[in-house]
Amino acid sequence: SYELTQPPSVSVSPGQTASITCSGDKLGDKFVCWYQQKPGQSPVLVIYQDNKRPSGIPERFSGSNSGNTATLTISGTQAIDEADYYCQAWDSSAVFGGGTKLTVL
Amino acid sequence: EVQLVESGGGLVQPGGSLRLSCVASGFTFSNYAMSWVRQPPGKGLEWVSAISGRGDRTYYADSVKGRFTISRDTSKSTLYLQMNSLRAEDTAVYYCAKVIVASIWVPFDYWGQGTLVTVSS
Repeated sequence: SYELTQPPSVSVSPGQTASITCSGDKLGDKFVCWYQQKPGQSPVLVIYQDNKRPSGIPERFSGSNSGNTATLTISGTQAIDEADYYCQAWDSSAVFGGGTKLTVL
Repeated sequence: EVQLVESGGGLVQPGGSLRLSCVASGFTFSNYAMSWVRQPPGKGLEWVSAISGRGDRTYYADSVKGRFTISRDTSKSTLYLQMNSLRAEDTAVYYCAKVIVASIWVPFDYWGQGTLVTVSS
């Protein structure tokens, strides 16, 4: 079965750029999306089709996907961005990465 | 405004059954595929099952195939998940999720608040 690998945790200082990676075999040949989940809340879609932002998602969220790695980038990270982030792609079914806890300190 | 409201979770013994419901509003229910996604306590997201907008195609994760059945009632704008032969490892918050466009394998743009299923003796 297809697997997506994310780092368990990423730390960033306020105002800096955070990068969260998602790795999978030939991932660049697939579309990737990203969800943000804060404690006790449901996931929120922040990036879809590799680099598109749904309405209402701040411009500081961006994405890229090439080769075996997709990356979610948060520019000018704010304290409110502290959350778990999950990548998702599709093989024969929907597949989620294991999630990355972003800490803003 | 799109809303998805799950219900039906609770405590059930191993080997037991439970049926989850998800009432949808704010969009044309029959136009969109729907999925169930679960999240064990303190762990990550796992896709469970999907159903086409018309309900004629269904898909399951290997971990639930043969035990869970997804269905939908367009007249009630309701999505269901019948869960049989439940195991401890099925313990999770179960979310229903709507896809962003009229296809099955696309991102989820709306999620319900989730309903907790606990399988324990």
